[in-house]
Amino acid sequence: AQSVTQLGSHVSVSEGALVLLRCNYSSSVPPYLFWYVQYPNQGLQLLLKYTSAATLVKGINGFEAEFKKSETSFHLTKPSAHMSDAAEYFCAVSNQAGTALIFGKGTTLSVSS
Amino acid sequence: KAGVTQTPRYLIKTRGQQVTLSCSPISGHRSVSWYQQTPGQGLQFLFEYFSETQRNKGNFPGRFSGRQFSNSRSEMNVSTLELGDSALYLCASSPGLAGGSYNEQFFGPGTRLTVL
Repeated sequence: AQSVTQLGSHVSVSEGALVLLRCNYSSSVPPYLFWYVQYPNQGLQLLLKYTSAATLVKGINGFEAEFKKSETSFHLTKPSAHMSDAAEYFCAVSNQAGTALIFGKGTTLSVSS
Repeated sequence: KAGVTQTPRYLIKTRGQQVTLSCSPISGHRSVSWYQQTPGQGLQFLFEYFSETQRNKGNFPGRFSGRQFSNSRSEMNVSTLELGDSALYLCASSPGLAGGSYNEQFFGPGTRLTVL
């Protein structure tokens, strides 16, 4: 069975600081991995995805993630946080078709000025 | 191109009632997936429909059901509502490409269901 674990339900950073949100996965097959962002009262927006191509994946809004098979990790980073990055972030793994996502519990990112 | 639309956006029901939620996918998309989001359980996959057939199913009781129409619009039904069914229900559509191709999902804004 596939699963993801997000370490830290809440992360606080200062504007301009590095953002690091952690995600570890469990999968018996090569996984498809995703990071989604959710702003209050909105649906989910795809930030980036890993579908077995390059291990360093660049997404929207300056975010990137690195797939590390040896560590079963897919951590999300951004070099410099912006106030508009404050939101809830979800790591997810899916079947190969990408249509049945298994989500982590989410990490709320707070950005202070 | 219009995005995924869900109706209604907000709904209040009482225990024991049933409810139907609607999802209109992006034009040309043939796959619709449903998810439940609650503070306690997080985001959980309910089921996926493709070409009017349920293709994948999560671990939810039979009170949760769905269907898909020939125009790819989908409905989700919850019967005999319980307090714990209060949640944000999200719908996502994707092209439904065959042959093991990856299909990106596009999410709607959700329907907020409150059960009193």
